[in-house]
Amino acid sequence: DTEVTQTPKHLVMGMTNKKSLKCEQHMGHRAMYWYKQKAKKPPELMFVYSYEKLSINESVPSRFSPECPNSSLLNLHLHALQPEDSALYLCASSRASGVEQFFGPGTRLTVL
Amino acid sequence: GESVGLHLPTLSVQEGDNSIINCAYSNSASDYFIWYKQESGKGPQFIIDIRSNMDKRQGQRVTVLLNKTVKHLSLQIAATQPGDSAVYFCADFSGTYKYIFGTGTRLKVLA
Repeated sequence: DTEVTQTPKHLVMGMTNKKSLKCEQHMGHRAMYWYKQKAKKPPELMFVYSYEKLSINESVPSRFSPECPNSSLLNLHLHALQPEDSALYLCASSRASGVEQFFGPGTRLTVL
Repeated sequence: GESVGLHLPTLSVQEGDNSIINCAYSNSASDYFIWYKQESGKGPQFIIDIRSNMDKRQGQRVTVLLNKTVKHLSLQIAATQPGDSAVYFCADFSGTYKYIFGTGTRLKVLA
């Protein structure tokens, strides 16, 4: 299984809502990533978990809260988002020592 | 070229011709350089990587060239096919899980 799955595919939320994005992989990868991608722009790294510990936080606002419950799952909790947070949120995984990242299809988030 | 605002540089290539997609990077300390392909509605897909101490690497129908003197990376696709139509991103990896993506190039394959 070389797939990274993400749910939901689409999410519309108001600025006062709380929601979560989910990501799952069963490749035994010990590094998992969240990226944000705006239209016609490259993915921007947000967070990295390595062996279930937060390894990188790219100065992301606290309204985004990542969580890695186990080696296969990665969540991104969303609270009090702004319309400019509307984007495609991509999850990826890689071997701890690997270069190749495997990306999921993303969650298209719209904040009203 | 570099994208400005909402504009993605676009390369249009006739089916069967070779494509060359270019990328400039700034981080001399990068360990690896990577090319990704992103089709509409999908996440990026790994194509090929090259270690910083190499200047050329070949894969199936693809070749990556690295010129460290001018900090330039290119992806050559041989015999371009309609399925190659996508946005292509270069990325650099400087260890410790840090990947930085460059601005993309849209490849359009003309029948």
